[in-house]
Amino acid sequence: ILNVEQSPQSLHVQEGDSTNFTCSFPSSNFYALHWYRWETAKSPEALFVMTLNGDEKKKGRISATLNTKEGYSYLYIKGSQPEDSATYLCASDTGRRALTFGSGTRLQVQP
Amino acid sequence: DSGVTQTPKHLITATGQRVTLRCSPRSGDLSVYWYQQSLDQGLQFLIQYYNGEERAKGNILERFSAQQFPDLHSELNLSSLELGDSALYFCASTSQSTYEQYFGPGTRLTVT
Repeated sequence: ILNVEQSPQSLHVQEGDSTNFTCSFPSSNFYALHWYRWETAKSPEALFVMTLNGDEKKKGRISATLNTKEGYSYLYIKGSQPEDSATYLCASDTGRRALTFGSGTRLQVQP
Repeated sequence: DSGVTQTPKHLITATGQRVTLRCSPRSGDLSVYWYQQSLDQGLQFLIQYYNGEERAKGNILERFSAQQFPDLHSELNLSSLELGDSALYFCASTSQSTYEQYFGPGTRLTVT
């Protein structure tokens, strides 16, 4: 994998559903993997930064896991709420801290 | 509110013109990054400054330049503007001790 890829591109779920997205990134020269939440008309907001293989981070109903050997990370949202509607971005950091972003997963949670 | 400020919020200008976008990092942050978000592309890294010096360069056009001043604010200069330069320009800052980048509200540039 040469670029950062995210899937799915968009997702529509009902309130209360749990959901997950995937981020694939180049496993060579890995330094850190970032997840951001980006609401319309706002700026990207940092959710997690993960550096170690097997890392698992949690913030409320949102959690993320990291596999640096195979180059993927999962973001999980448990019991989605309408306020979770946003675009979720992941970004790879190869040590220069200049982030390479994926194109994002757009989540829409229907009440 | 991330603590990163950007001005102006919106800018409308004509092709061939030159504009300057300004960014002030969070208090204490030495690094500033510039990113471009075009309609058909994701966030693209342009350039990074650390304590006044250029540290990393991404896909930044030769018509674009940036600098970071002694008070740590940064300016991104875009010249000979083309329609394709219309985009949202973000700056972000980070401290030495954390990996997280904190994004400003962005400047929306429209070139007509």
